[in-house]
Amino acid sequence: GENVEQHPSTLSVQEGDSAVIKCTYSDSASNYFPWYKQELGKRPQLIIDIRSNVGEKKDQRIAVTLNKTAKHFSLHITETQPEDSAVYFCAPKGGKSTFGDGTTLTVKP
Amino acid sequence: DAGVIQSPRHEVTEMGQEVTLRCKPISGHDYLFWYRQTMMRGLELLIYFNNNVPIDDSGMPEDRFSAKMPNASFSTLKIQPSEPRDSAVYFCASSPTNTGELFFGEGSRLTVL
Repeated sequence: GENVEQHPSTLSVQEGDSAVIKCTYSDSASNYFPWYKQELGKRPQLIIDIRSNVGEKKDQRIAVTLNKTAKHFSLHITETQPEDSAVYFCAPKGGKSTFGDGTTLTVKP
Repeated sequence: DAGVIQSPRHEVTEMGQEVTLRCKPISGHDYLFWYRQTMMRGLELLIYFNNNVPIDDSGMPEDRFSAKMPNASFSTLKIQPSEPRDSAVYFCASSPTNTGELFFGEGSRLTVL
């Protein structure tokens, strides 16, 4: 099966700092790269995604970058806020994918 | 649309009992996915359907687990007999494609005593 690794597993930043989470995958056939956010006790929700024909996508304070050659994609959050505190998951290939183990982001006020 | 609807939200049962979890996907979504989430194993894909047909059930842990989708608006995940290690949050998600946004239900938290 596909091997998906997320790093780091936990990340603590001060409010206003930037956060970067990396997802490495093994299946070169992957062509869809989403990131999901799951707040405590809630359901996962898509926050940003990218297709393999694009190298970068940005939505306000959130961006995703893709390196298909190296088989990794990263989530970038700038100007972090306490409400960004959550667990973030990558899932290369979407619904039928192996999800990453998650990164717990804590933003300290 | 009300989104993906799951029931029950919480279920507490005793070992050996049958458990049935239910899911109503978003109308028009052709794909339905069942996931299990635990602290130890994270989010695991159990099975997914396309147009009511099971496509990949390789994630179903063992024969005690079964899933059906009798029509486009309803799916069940059944555990019989249940065991304490089945305790988890079970999510159902639907999507218009298999490489597109997943819309998750609120989950069913199962506790097996």
